[in-house]
Amino acid sequence: GAGVSQSPSNKVTEKGKDVELRCDPISGHTALYWYRQSLGQGLEFLIYFQGNSAPDKSGLPSDRFSAERTGGSVSTLTIQRTQQEDSAVYLCASSPRQGVAKNIQYFGAGTRLSVL
Amino acid sequence: AQKITQTQPGMFVQEKEAVTLDCTYDTSDPSYGLFWYKQPSSGEMIFLIYQGSYDQQNATEGRYSLNFQKARKSANLVISASQLGDSAMYFCAMRELPSSGAGSYQLTFGKGTKLSVIP
Repeated sequence: GAGVSQSPSNKVTEKGKDVELRCDPISGHTALYWYRQSLGQGLEFLIYFQGNSAPDKSGLPSDRFSAERTGGSVSTLTIQRTQQEDSAVYLCASSPRQGVAKNIQYFGAGTRLSVL
Repeated sequence: AQKITQTQPGMFVQEKEAVTLDCTYDTSDPSYGLFWYKQPSSGEMIFLIYQGSYDQQNATEGRYSLNFQKARKSANLVISASQLGDSAMYFCAMRELPSSGAGSYQLTFGKGTKLSVIP
């Protein structure tokens, strides 16, 4: 089946604007993760969704960052009032709840965000 | 807190030779999983191999094998018969696997090793 799909693949925005990044997980996967990859900080966890449970938002760097997951499938990561330090690649991953692969996270190709 | 250390920022290997990428980890959890991912220049993180802390045998997936030494807290990736397409960044990662089912299961990544395969 199809892998994790992220859009857009690239996003250029001006400082202070809001951006929305989309993630479409693998069909049937109940867990969804957002990570951020930047040159200085490496790969950082942002937020985790599992089914209908309350999300784990412990990795969000500030209140400008938020995410939602509608219908247990597609997720949107929103960054308000973007800053230059938000420039990074935002990666989404999903995993199934059960089965042999339940411990494995499958990643999308990411969205490269550039804040000018 | 979990920590992953990859001490080799860059590695070179001759095509068709084997190469070992180092990874050490630190955790106080008795149950955890160790992962290797490949990230080519296209940016996608590609899952390669997984090792559970209670697995008795080292994991293997085709040309990839994980040399798991629990007492030394190391989980080195061995790539046999290197190919030009193996040139990429390689990340070691870890997550706890709580039996209670609680926890977010987030991955903690090392800083990566850039592998270059020379023809």
